[in-house]
Amino acid sequence: EAGVAQSPRYKIIEKRQSVAFWCNPISGHATLYWYQQILGQGPKLLIQFQNNGVVDDSQLPKDRFSAERLKGVDSTLKIQPAKLEDSAVYLCASTWGALDEQFFGPGTRLTVL
Amino acid sequence: DQQVKQNSPSLSVQEGRISILNCDYTNSMFDYFLWYKKYPAEGPTFLISISSIKDKNEDGRFTVFLNKSAKHLSLHIVPSQPGDSAVYFCAATVFLKGGTSYGKLTFGQGTILTVHP
Repeated sequence: EAGVAQSPRYKIIEKRQSVAFWCNPISGHATLYWYQQILGQGPKLLIQFQNNGVVDDSQLPKDRFSAERLKGVDSTLKIQPAKLEDSAVYLCASTWGALDEQFFGPGTRLTVL
Repeated sequence: DQQVKQNSPSLSVQEGRISILNCDYTNSMFDYFLWYKKYPAEGPTFLISISSIKDKNEDGRFTVFLNKSAKHLSLHIVPSQPGDSAVYFCAATVFLKGGTSYGKLTFGQGTILTVHP
């Protein structure tokens, strides 16, 4: 069974630039999550999708972050414009249902200069 | 507001000995707890979990203990192996009680475990 795929693995941008991350969950997984993990901290949930609908985006900084999950499969997370404090690893996870085991992708390490 | 705390940033143990990783939580609504393990450049992987209706759950070398009155849980690894060297995250969620936080994981800061041969 293929795992959660994420790309790119690494990205370096300057502040005020835009960036997008892509996630392909495990086939058939209805629930998809985006997490932000700042160095020295645990992952923090940004947004949760159930199929192509948003379940929880209470911790997503909506003035600069956006996410979509068209057709209930792949998802993209965008930051526009980026700030220095956005430097982090962005993790995507997926599950069959909300309380099932979350399978994480390898993450995208973003550095904002 | 750190609802899940892992106060030890790192732990170093000898191969074959016991590793004990600790986690404290403040939100009394949490009723389901999980441990994740993370190797460098990989995403976290699920290790073991426990529901608040139990005080112990065991899976091979891994045992999780839950003390609800103290809002404390611990992960015991016996015997520790060099391959166990990783970052361990404690996470908590609301399961039995349902509600808007259902299934939403709150993670601690992580503890770096190093097992020396």
